[in-house]
Amino acid sequence: QVQLQESGPGLVRPSETLSLTCTVSGASVRSFYWSWIRQSAGKGLEWIGRIQVNGDTTYNPSLHSRITMSLDTSKNQVSLNLNSVTAADTAVYYCVRDHAPVGWNYAFDYWGQGILVTVSS
Amino acid sequence: DVVVTQTPLSSPVTLGQPASISCKSSQSLVHPDGNTYLSWLHQRPGQPPRLLIYKISNRFSGVPDRFSGSGAGTDFTLKISRVEAEDVGIYYCMQITHFPRTFGQGTRVEIK
Repeated sequence: QVQLQESGPGLVRPSETLSLTCTVSGASVRSFYWSWIRQSAGKGLEWIGRIQVNGDTTYNPSLHSRITMSLDTSKNQVSLNLNSVTAADTAVYYCVRDHAPVGWNYAFDYWGQGILVTVSS
Repeated sequence: DVVVTQTPLSSPVTLGQPASISCKSSQSLVHPDGNTYLSWLHQRPGQPPRLLIYKISNRFSGVPDRFSGSGAGTDFTLKISRVEAEDVGIYYCMQITHFPRTFGQGTRVEIK
């Protein structure tokens, strides 16, 4: 059974960096692509970006200049950093399995439970 | 970005009756590989979304056959043949043909 668990601070100060980690079990981070998606009351579901098995990334242009995603294959983890945060970045952040590198038909089949991150001083 | 628009935004339904949700995209969702990567998600309160339908009409593992998807190009529909109590929540269509991936605003299905 594939499980994803997000972790990180629930409160981040404005202008600082939001750092989240997704620990994956039941699947290797080297076998799939992985996305981060966030959900806020104001903007609904928003795709943040994706990281491929070789570490290549594709980011949402609306956030591109502030995002960094990475893989830690030794820990089977995916990480997200979002810098210069404002109140508009307050949301539930989900780690999501994207799709397999080849022969894929669907994406977003496994989701973490999500972590609420509030940006406030 | 591809804009995905759902209607209605709210759908009160009687148990056992059908429900239908429309999803329209601002541009064609046909991928260069010939597939149309339009999916539907269902989110219950306090839970993450879960995948229901992929590539327009394919039910994901474990999804009951009362759920069906149809459409092509820019117009798509999710139908629930007979709504059950566990079907309440918010339904989202999403496209993964183009980057960035985008989602509809969501349709809340509730029991009358």
